[in-house]
Amino acid sequence: SAVISQKPSRDICQRGTSLTIQCQVDSQVTMMFWYRQQPGQSLTLIATANQGSEATYESGFVIDKFPISRPNLTFSTLTVSNMSPEDSSIYLCSALTTASSYEQYFGPGTRLTVT
Amino acid sequence: GQNIDQPTEMTATEGAIVQINCTYQTSGFNGLFWYQQHAGEAPTFLSYNVLDGLEEKGRFSSFLSRSKGYSYLLLKELQMKDSASYLCAVRDRNTDKLIFGTGTRLQVFP
Repeated sequence: SAVISQKPSRDICQRGTSLTIQCQVDSQVTMMFWYRQQPGQSLTLIATANQGSEATYESGFVIDKFPISRPNLTFSTLTVSNMSPEDSSIYLCSALTTASSYEQYFGPGTRLTVT
Repeated sequence: GQNIDQPTEMTATEGAIVQINCTYQTSGFNGLFWYQQHAGEAPTFLSYNVLDGLEEKGRFSSFLSRSKGYSYLLLKELQMKDSASYLCAVRDRNTDKLIFGTGTRLQVFP
């Protein structure tokens, strides 16, 4: 199995500021993803983090709002920019590893509250 | 595109059996997954079906019919700790993206 860690685990931020969330995987990774989970809701895919190139964003999500980096195979960051209260959510990092071609692992999530 | 539907909430009694259904429409199918998520925690993998039929793993079983775009998760001998959300997800064959359904919140009562 793979262990995914995220930092910070939670944060309370002011409107208009930005927060960068870090994700580290302890195994060889093939693909990395970022999801958002709003209170009481299921997971919504934000983007696929690509190593060495721009992330692939889902409909409704744009790079200016959610810039993503993936400088190497096992590390990625998601920035939530110019935050508003609507961005309050849990942000989860996820990865497919070489150990299992089908099981996708999830990090513990970052709980973001924007005031 | 993809569309994945599940019931929003279900309740059951300790010791009973419950079946959570999931229907999906997808342009490229490469497996159906069930995840369990307790409140405040990350989703954890339960099962994976890529071929039609039943996969059994202890108290949990998952069934898939690709022609009908249908799956179910069967939980037997329910325990209080099974109270959680159960998420159905489909992997896209072309992009490897895992797309989640709305999730089913299960409450188990004594």
